[in-house]
Amino acid sequence: DTGVSQNPRHKITKRGQNVTFRCDPISEHNRLYWYRQTLGQGPEFLTYFQNEAQLEKSRLLSDRFSAERPKGSFSTLEIQRTEQGDSAMYLCASSHYTGGYTEAFFGQGTRLTVV
Amino acid sequence: AQTVTQSQPEMSVQEAETVTLSCTYDTSENNYYLFWYKQPPSRQMILVIRQEAYKQQNATENRFSVNFQKAAKSFSLKISDSQLGDTAMYFCAPDNAGNMLTFGGGTRLMVKP
Repeated sequence: DTGVSQNPRHKITKRGQNVTFRCDPISEHNRLYWYRQTLGQGPEFLTYFQNEAQLEKSRLLSDRFSAERPKGSFSTLEIQRTEQGDSAMYLCASSHYTGGYTEAFFGQGTRLTVV
Repeated sequence: AQTVTQSQPEMSVQEAETVTLSCTYDTSENNYYLFWYKQPPSRQMILVIRQEAYKQQNATENRFSVNFQKAAKSFSLKISDSQLGDTAMYFCAPDNAGNMLTFGGGTRLMVKP
């Protein structure tokens, strides 16, 4: 197991198209997080899962965004009807949560460019 | 809600010298954790050091140490004996019980030879 894997690494799409990103967490990590990072800024929390349950969603996650984690393994983040403002790096992280402190391990991200 | 302020957008330091990156935050939580993450150019975010808010002793991890002032809600990172590989974006991030990280805007650190 080499860490959190995200695919694709880069995605260029036309405005109005739908895109889907995939995140494979570290094996046996029960928590999975999605963040969005725009250029020169810190990442912003979008949503997180514990196993297959989506426990929290940020107000940043508009109704065009949907995330799933079927069977509590990999996760997908879909953006419908993309807008130029969706251009950003989408980061995935995972952790083994047992209560209290938990270290999150990040993937390399998927860079989305909407043209 | 938590807010995090990193007041130094960019800093530079000579190799082998010491540099301190500042961070202040606002939280209504009493028990939380604080992290510094490093994001090298085109590489993933990695954890540098963590501090548990209920511990008074400042955390140390090799060349990295923190100055945690709970009452002032201040959490600075000191890097000693800076190395070229320390060049990266550094993010301060409080975390309430592992639910999510709130990142600051980051400090871009350049280590010069």
